[in-house]
Amino acid sequence: KNEVEQSPQNLTAQEGEFITINCSYSVGISALHWLQQHPGGGIVSLFMLSSGKKKHGRLIATINIQEKHSSLHITASHPRDSAVYICAAPPGGGADGLTFGKGTHLIIQP
Amino acid sequence: GAGVSQSPRYKVTKRGQDVALRCDPISGHVSLYWYRQALGQGPEFLTYFNYEAQQDKSGLPNDRFSAERPEGSISTLTIQRTEQRDSAMYRCASSLRIYNEQFFGPGTRLTVL
Repeated sequence: KNEVEQSPQNLTAQEGEFITINCSYSVGISALHWLQQHPGGGIVSLFMLSSGKKKHGRLIATINIQEKHSSLHITASHPRDSAVYICAAPPGGGADGLTFGKGTHLIIQP
Repeated sequence: GAGVSQSPRYKVTKRGQDVALRCDPISGHVSLYWYRQALGQGPEFLTYFNYEAQQDKSGLPNDRFSAERPEGSISTLTIQRTEQRDSAMYRCASSLRIYNEQFFGPGTRLTVL
């Protein structure tokens, strides 16, 4: 089973700050997912990446397959970015459901 | 097109009753996943389907939990003889193919009294 660790668990920052959330996993994977869970509970897929870097608006995700590590960055953070950010990876061994990290609870203060 | 839908959105039941939770995936999506999320925790995998075939049910907690997807579209997660510890948010997700991006439904909040 893949062990997925995220840090930090909680992060409070001021509007405009550059945010970094880290994720590490123990088993080699085909792709890693970054998800956003809104305060209302809905889950939205942000990225699925297997190598290098992806960018969508102010969000950037990077992954280093050799080091089994991924980061999610938010540039020019805004209060509406406040949410729980979750990384998830396949468990390995041919199974295909995702194993989720515990999430990073991000609060951006105005 | 519509996203993943789930019904009911909220279900309150008494201990010992059976419940059936429905997931309607995005049209054309081959893979369908069931997850459970306890309050304040991250989701945990229960089971998944490719078309109508249940590929992995290793995450189902015990034999009171079962799932089906008989026509490769809508899926039902059934919990028999519910217990209070079954209370959680049950989420469904679908993806176009295996290993693709997953799209999540709004979830069914199950409360067992």
